[in-house]
Amino acid sequence: RKEVEQDPGPFNVPEGATVAFNCTYSNSASQSFFWYRQDCRKEPKLLMSVYSSGNEDGRFTAQLNRASQYISLLIRDSKLSDSATYLCVVSYSIYNQGGKLIFGQGTELSVKP
Amino acid sequence: NAGVMQNPRHLVRRRGQEARLRCSPMKGHSHVYWYRQLPEEGLKFMVYLQKENIIDESGMPKERFSAEFPKEGPSILRIQQVVRGDSAAYFCASSPVLAGDNEQFFGPGTRLTVL
Repeated sequence: RKEVEQDPGPFNVPEGATVAFNCTYSNSASQSFFWYRQDCRKEPKLLMSVYSSGNEDGRFTAQLNRASQYISLLIRDSKLSDSATYLCVVSYSIYNQGGKLIFGQGTELSVKP
Repeated sequence: NAGVMQNPRHLVRRRGQEARLRCSPMKGHSHVYWYRQLPEEGLKFMVYLQKENIIDESGMPKERFSAEFPKEGPSILRIQQVVRGDSAAYFCASSPVLAGDNEQFFGPGTRLTVL
């Protein structure tokens, strides 16, 4: 079983649609949670961190359920520029220092006019 | 504040040659991570370094791969006797590392092609 599993893609949606991505992780020791986006296999860029209380950044809302080991990302009013691969990422610190990021395989989103 | 810098951006090697990939972290960041992305696959962790120390190398192949982050200068990922299966994008990331947070900032990557 993969440490981080995401919905298989691709998701093809029209502009203005709402789209939701789901992700599960297997290591209960995971401490930090993120959504990154990757365009055309360029470098991943942080979209948002994910907190237990849930957090929102404009059209993007992220949720974390530690009990179910489940993370979600909701994109409202999708734009053409949202087309990318969305990466679910978890991390746990080593000896209270930084630690490696564990990436899901990514879900491709294509927003059409 | 310049971001994470990697060079070269593209590197072509023949089988059996050596590849050296360099990474300069963001200013003020003392922690460097290397990740590899094989064609059609997700990113996989390779190694985590601080200045002059390897903290976690659990993702490094057992042979031919090594990494360092000297006191002065960039971090280096070295691949000896490259094979076609080493062709991939190699991304470096850095972080300032605050307890309880582990946001990492990625460089543009080095795309290695082994002929």
